Amino acid sequence: KAGVTQTPRYLIKTRGQQVTLSCSPISGHRSVSWYQQTPGQGLQFLFEYFSETQRNKGNFPGRFSGRQFSNSRSEMNVSTLELGDSALYLCASTPRDISGANVLTFGAGSRLTVL
Amino acid sequence: GQQLNQSPQSMFIQEGEDVSMNCTSSSIFNTWLWYKQDPGEGPVLLIALYKAGELTSNGRLTAQFGITRKDSFLNISASIPSDVGIYFCAGSGGTSYGKLTFGQGTILTVHP
Repeated sequence: KAGVTQTPRYLIKTRGQQVTLSCSPISGHRSVSWYQQTPGQGLQFLFEYFSETQRNKGNFPGRFSGRQFSNSRSEMNVSTLELGDSALYLCASTPRDISGANVLTFGAGSRLTVL
Repeated sequence: GQQLNQSPQSMFIQEGEDVSMNCTSSSIFNTWLWYKQDPGEGPVLLIALYKAGELTSNGRLTAQFGITRKDSFLNISASIPSDVGIYFCAGSGGTSYGKLTFGQGTILTVHP
């Protein structure tokens, strides 16, 4: 069974640009979550999608957005990039549709560097 | 945002030694999880705990869900060099689809 797949693994952007990251969950997993990991803030929850609907959202500005497709694949977008957006962006999936039981399987992440 | 208090922040041990790390929270959680992250990779789930008081083992790893539901610990017995990495605790509860609250991580170094 393939794990959570994230693309691209590494990318470099400049301030003001926008970026789109992709995530393919484990087959059969319908819930996809996104996290930002930085040395200063640690792992922070961005948002969660299930059946193409955003069910939960963290405390990030509107420049961070996402979507989920009918095959459960998900993308996240960051517009007007800032230096502080440099981070490892992690996608995770879970088969469980139960609030509060978030046993997440993570992908390897997309390492974004903003210059 | 809310974070769990995870300690210690780092540990330097000799191969064969036992390791213990813990997390505390001001909030109650319904699920406690322990993950390990290697450089350049995503966190990998080690143990999931679902009930207060639950004690669960996975090989040389043992974790417990505190009775108050506000804490958890992870023990690693007879450490080996491949145990090196960052260990994170995470809690989940309430109406929190997809959201885990993570500790700051414990960096484990094992000297052969």
